[in-house]
Amino acid sequence: GAVVSQHPSRVICKSGTSVKIECRSLDFQATTMFWYRQFPKKSLMLMATSNEGSKATYEQGVEKDKFLINHASLTLSTLTVTSAHPEDSSFYICSATVGKGLAGGRYEQYFGPGTRLTVT
Amino acid sequence: DQQVKQNSPSLSVQEGRISILNCDYTNSMFDYFLWYKKYPAEGPTFLISISSIKDKNEDGRFTVFLNKSAKHLSLHIVPSQPGDSAVYFCAATRGETSGSRLTFGEGTQLTVNP
Repeated sequence: GAVVSQHPSRVICKSGTSVKIECRSLDFQATTMFWYRQFPKKSLMLMATSNEGSKATYEQGVEKDKFLINHASLTLSTLTVTSAHPEDSSFYICSATVGKGLAGGRYEQYFGPGTRLTVT
Repeated sequence: DQQVKQNSPSLSVQEGRISILNCDYTNSMFDYFLWYKKYPAEGPTFLISISSIKDKNEDGRFTVFLNKSAKHLSLHIVPSQPGDSAVYFCAATRGETSGSRLTFGEGTQLTVNP
């Protein structure tokens, strides 16, 4: 159980265009979804926290008008990178949580496989 | 401000031996700690966690130790296997509500040599 998918797995786009990344929890309803960005050989940097039906909470330094997050249902969240530029090229990962982990613990986040975005 | 630090970017061990990955944190409000394993171009996979009310949690070959006074935790893998080669992230969180933010360390690349 606790499978999270992301689509697409990799995308190449031209500078100035917008790209949408989908994150789905396949076998559970996620109360909260998170979006992360990972630079090469760096930690996962939390970009925003998304709860179904409400506005996302963005981390300091993350432009909410550039990284649009929509959490339309308990199984789907989308991240749209608007007017993408080469510096937005990165590995974007989403995660979903049900609160109490399926193993009985707390706060386990289940991660998607990531999306490699390359802006040319 | 790096609240969770993994000071060793890499670790290399021989198959069958013990792997010890270390993690330090600065925020005394953290009350729950997790270890994740990550392969290249994949999302992290949850491995094991520990609450601040415990000092040890064991699951098969994986054991996590927590030293609250030192704000230090470690992950022991015994015996290490080549398939364990991956990047290991420790993460910390606090609070009682679900979906609490995780703060990640920088990761340690573990290589287990056959």
